[in-house]
Amino acid sequence: AQKITQTQPGMFVQEKEAVTLDCTYDTSDQSYGLFWYKQPSSGEMIFLIYQGSYDEQNATEGRYSLNFQKARKSANLVISASQLGDSAMYFCAMREDLFSGGYNKLIFGAGTRLAVHP
Amino acid sequence: DGGITQSPKYLFRKEGQNVTLSCEQNLNHDAMYWYRQDPGQGLRLIYYSQIVNDFQKGDIAEGYSVSREKKESFPLTVTSAQKNPTAFYLCASSIENRDTEAFFGQGTRLTVV
Repeated sequence: AQKITQTQPGMFVQEKEAVTLDCTYDTSDQSYGLFWYKQPSSGEMIFLIYQGSYDEQNATEGRYSLNFQKARKSANLVISASQLGDSAMYFCAMREDLFSGGYNKLIFGAGTRLAVHP
Repeated sequence: DGGITQSPKYLFRKEGQNVTLSCEQNLNHDAMYWYRQDPGQGLRLIYYSQIVNDFQKGDIAEGYSVSREKKESFPLTVTSAQKNPTAFYLCASSIENRDTEAFFGQGTRLTVV
């Protein structure tokens, strides 16, 4: 079964508008972390934002915010005031069982390609 | 500047050859990872290492091998047993494999010719 599901292969948004990229996850662990990464055409992965399952509030980092709905197992990324430079692939990722001391690999979704139009 | 360096950026391999991809980090991170990315797809974990001289297979380890003799280095060898090695390979590291983000290198694009 898919651990991380990103249902939007591609999204379009007008410059300066907000856009939401969807991410749902599947885990039975109590402590887990959710990450969002941006991958421009050059290929490097750029960390954007992190949300712990134990965090009371939704994470925010500048124009990025994470709409975390634990009961629905969703962790959607919201980009406000889109810029042309936001055009890229965006990946949602999860790390389970954070504090067991074992090997906790980072699991990625298939990604969403975002295109920002002027 | 601290970071992760992957080399080479582009690599061409003939059928039947082994090739080694380099990954070096100066972030003093304990955990290191290798991922494979195919066009239009997400990242799949090949191997990961939490400490020196210890590593674990990921989801697609067949045809690959790694070593972790130094904290800073985690080279990946793509062996001739890997039937479809053409892909983009990304190396990453993190302070530990818990609630900290992983930092990525620039990637190596491997093509079999």
